[in-house]
Amino acid sequence: AAGVIQSPRHLIKEKRETATLKCYPIPRHDTVYWYQQGPGQDPQFLISFYEKMQSDKGSIPDRFSAQQFSDYHSELNMSSLELGDSALYFCASSPGRGGRTDTQYFGPGTRLTVL
Amino acid sequence: GQNIDQPTEMTATEGAIVQINCTYQTSGFNGLFWYQQHAGEAPTFLSYNVLDGLEEKGRFSSFLSRSKGYSYLLLKELQMKDSASYLCAVRDQNTGRRALTFGSGTRLQVQP
Repeated sequence: AAGVIQSPRHLIKEKRETATLKCYPIPRHDTVYWYQQGPGQDPQFLISFYEKMQSDKGSIPDRFSAQQFSDYHSELNMSSLELGDSALYFCASSPGRGGRTDTQYFGPGTRLTVL
Repeated sequence: GQNIDQPTEMTATEGAIVQINCTYQTSGFNGLFWYQQHAGEAPTFLSYNVLDGLEEKGRFSSFLSRSKGYSYLLLKELQMKDSASYLCAVRDQNTGRRALTFGSGTRLQVQP
């Protein structure tokens, strides 16, 4: 079965640079979520999109922005990178509203290292 | 907001049974999820509970008591590959969120 695809899988940037992370949800999933997981920490919700509109907002810094495109893929744009942004960034997708569980399925993550 | 508590670490023996507990406090409970996460990998969905009771899925079962704000994940016939972190996550409709709030996870070590 198709899974969530994220690219790149690994990214190394320097402080104050920008980064763009991409997420391709499971086919026919219309909701995308972004999570940040620091070393030894639990995933922290950043932002989500339903039908290309922002649906929920978590602890996303103002330096970050995201959007969902017409093909439902999503991009997380990160600017003025800081050392503390080094983390695993997960994208998850779910089938959307309705359904019993609306379970989120996670992609393999992008490991961002800021030097 | 939600407060989600899980034990930090647990150790169990191959072939045994282990129960991982999770307590939560939330104003608009709308489902509890258990995920398994191996180090450096993505969380993998294990189970979902929204009504009280036990949900069984092969070697894994999950229980929920909404009145007590309590859930547990039961792993039977433990295998070495079950060594991983187990994350309890809650969805709260009152915050308007469909996103999940995760507990800090329980790191399970299965020993031979």
